[in-house]
Amino acid sequence: EIVLTQSPGTLSLSPGERATLSCRASRSVSSSYLAWYQQKPGQAPRLLVFGASSRATGIPDRFSGGGSGTDFTLTISRLEPEDFAVYYCQQYGSSPYTFGQGTKLEI
Amino acid sequence: EVQLLESGGGLVQPGGSLRLSCAASGFIFSNYAMSWVRQAPGKGLEWVSAIGGSGGSTYYADSVKGRFTISRDNSKNTLYLQMNSLRAEDTAVYYCAKLSVKAVAADLEYWGQGTLVTVSS
Repeated sequence: EIVLTQSPGTLSLSPGERATLSCRASRSVSSSYLAWYQQKPGQAPRLLVFGASSRATGIPDRFSGGGSGTDFTLTISRLEPEDFAVYYCQQYGSSPYTFGQGTKLEI
Repeated sequence: EVQLLESGGGLVQPGGSLRLSCAASGFIFSNYAMSWVRQAPGKGLEWVSAIGGSGGSTYYADSVKGRFTISRDNSKNTLYLQMNSLRAEDTAVYYCAKLSVKAVAADLEYWGQGTLVTVSS
């Protein structure tokens, strides 16, 4: 199984700052089949990015995904108050379709 | 509007069984793969299982293989998860999710609000 390791575990930033979240895979993720999700307390996760770099419908352009192979990033260019949440990466190139352990983005 | 409504969660004793359902609406159900994802209290997301749009292909996490069975009834627009031999570590909120295509190798485009399963004596 592909193990995804997200870093950092917690990221403390302020509104207006830039956030860079990392997701590293234990082996190459085929066809860049990697997604990012956002989860706020008490809510279901929401898809942000699929195919490593394509934004999902309705996602603001301050969110951008990048990377390939084993190293992927999610960048939030200018943090808004509503962006403080937990972020998960997931690979869907090889079953089981594993998640990373999450990065908590806090003020 | 895509809607996914899970049901069937509750309290069950270790070794017991439970069947979760997910009623889907707002899209052509048979055209999309579906998945179950769970989240233990205070923990991260864990992918559990997925099924193709026609129901012919199914995949499972090692932690549930042989105990859980995913299925779907395209005539009723409903996804199921039959859970047998339940353990305390299966306690979690179970989310139903719609994938973005008919095949299972896809992102989880829409999610339900989840149903809580508690395994305890």
